[in-house]
Amino acid sequence: RKEVEQDPGPFNVPEGATVAFNCTYSNSASQSFFWYRQDCRKEPKLLMSVYSSGNEDGRFTAQLNRASQYISLLIRDSKLSDSATYLCVVRRGSTLGRLYFGRGTQLTVWP
Amino acid sequence: DAGVIQSPRHEVTEMGQEVTLRCKPISGHDYLFWYRQTMMRGLELLIYFNNNVPIDDSGMPEDRFSAKMPNASFSTLKIQPSEPRDSAVYFCAIRGGNEQFFGPGTRLTVL
Repeated sequence: RKEVEQDPGPFNVPEGATVAFNCTYSNSASQSFFWYRQDCRKEPKLLMSVYSSGNEDGRFTAQLNRASQYISLLIRDSKLSDSATYLCVVRRGSTLGRLYFGRGTQLTVWP
Repeated sequence: DAGVIQSPRHEVTEMGQEVTLRCKPISGHDYLFWYRQTMMRGLELLIYFNNNVPIDDSGMPEDRFSAKMPNASFSTLKIQPSEPRDSAVYFCAIRGGNEQFFGPGTRLTVL
């Protein structure tokens, strides 16, 4: 079983729509959780960390359910510039550990 | 932006040739990671170093791949001999706090 599983999409939504991505992780020892964003032909970059209590950054909301080993990302009021691939990422153990990346979910926002 | 320089940015070579990819963090970091990304397999960790010492090379596909880190500001990934299935984007990343910062990648095509 893969460490991190994501729905690959693609998701195609109009501007202004709300879209949600889901991710599951297999190792209960995972301790840190992130969403990375990767634009076409670019490197992945950190979008936001995911905290146990859930957290919000502008139009982006991340949720974590440890019992179900499930992570989500909600994007409200989608913009054209949100078009990218969103990677779900987990880390086991200490902050020095390696990261495990999902395959990514592709989002296209159309005008 | 932690700053990671990778070279070359693009490499086209013929099967059987040796390929050397280079990574240079702008400032020395304690952890350095090499990843490979393809459409089929997503982002895969190949090897990572801590204080210039290889910690986990279980992701290196086979003996044709080797990596070195002679100092904190330089690392190489070598493929000898290269094969068409090695065609991918190769990323170098460094740890910065709780996240990883990726270089722009090297797009390798083996004909």
